[in-house]
Amino acid sequence: AQSVTQLGSHVSVSEGALVLLRCNYSSSVPPYLFWYVQYPNQGLQLLLKYTSAATLVKGINGFEAEFKKSETSFHLTKPSAHMSDAAEYFCAVSQIGTDKLIFGTGTRLQVFP
Amino acid sequence: DVKVTQSSRYLVKRTGEKVFLECVQDMDHENMFWYRQDPGLGLRLIYFSYDVKMKEKGDIPEGYSVSREKKERFSLILESASTNQTSMYLCASSLRGRTVSTGELFFGEGSRLTVL
Repeated sequence: AQSVTQLGSHVSVSEGALVLLRCNYSSSVPPYLFWYVQYPNQGLQLLLKYTSAATLVKGINGFEAEFKKSETSFHLTKPSAHMSDAAEYFCAVSQIGTDKLIFGTGTRLQVFP
Repeated sequence: DVKVTQSSRYLVKRTGEKVFLECVQDMDHENMFWYRQDPGLGLRLIYFSYDVKMKEKGDIPEGYSVSREKKERFSLILESASTNQTSMYLCASSLRGRTVSTGELFFGEGSRLTVL
């Protein structure tokens, strides 16, 4: 069975600092992994996806994530945080054989000026 | 622009009331989903529908039912609301057979339900 674990329910950074949001996965088969973002009072939107092509995946708004099989990780990074990045971020993995995604518990990112 | 619309952004209901949450999508998607979002618990799937009149229980279906009479509309029903159903409810849709490889789930803005 597939699952994802997000370490840290809250992350705070200063504007301009590196953003690192952690996600580890568990899967018996090569996984498809995703990051979603939820801005305040909005639904979720897809930020980026790993579907077994390049291990370094670039998404919208300068975010990227690297798939590391040896570490079973898919951490989300951004070199320089912006105030507008304040949101909740969810890691997700495809449930193989279905059309469903399994979501992590989310990480709330706060950006301070 | 693709759109998933949830009929009510905020609702306040009393214990025991019947509650309907409506969701409409305009993308001709086969799949529709209802999730519940709670702090520290992330998104949990309540029900999934892969076609008109077809439904599948998710991880937490107890206390909920659903209806899909038309392809574009998916309703979540709380037969007798309880305080522990106070939560944010998110509807989503996707194309059949594409979610697993693309992750393309399209979400509505959510319905925040408070049960007193």
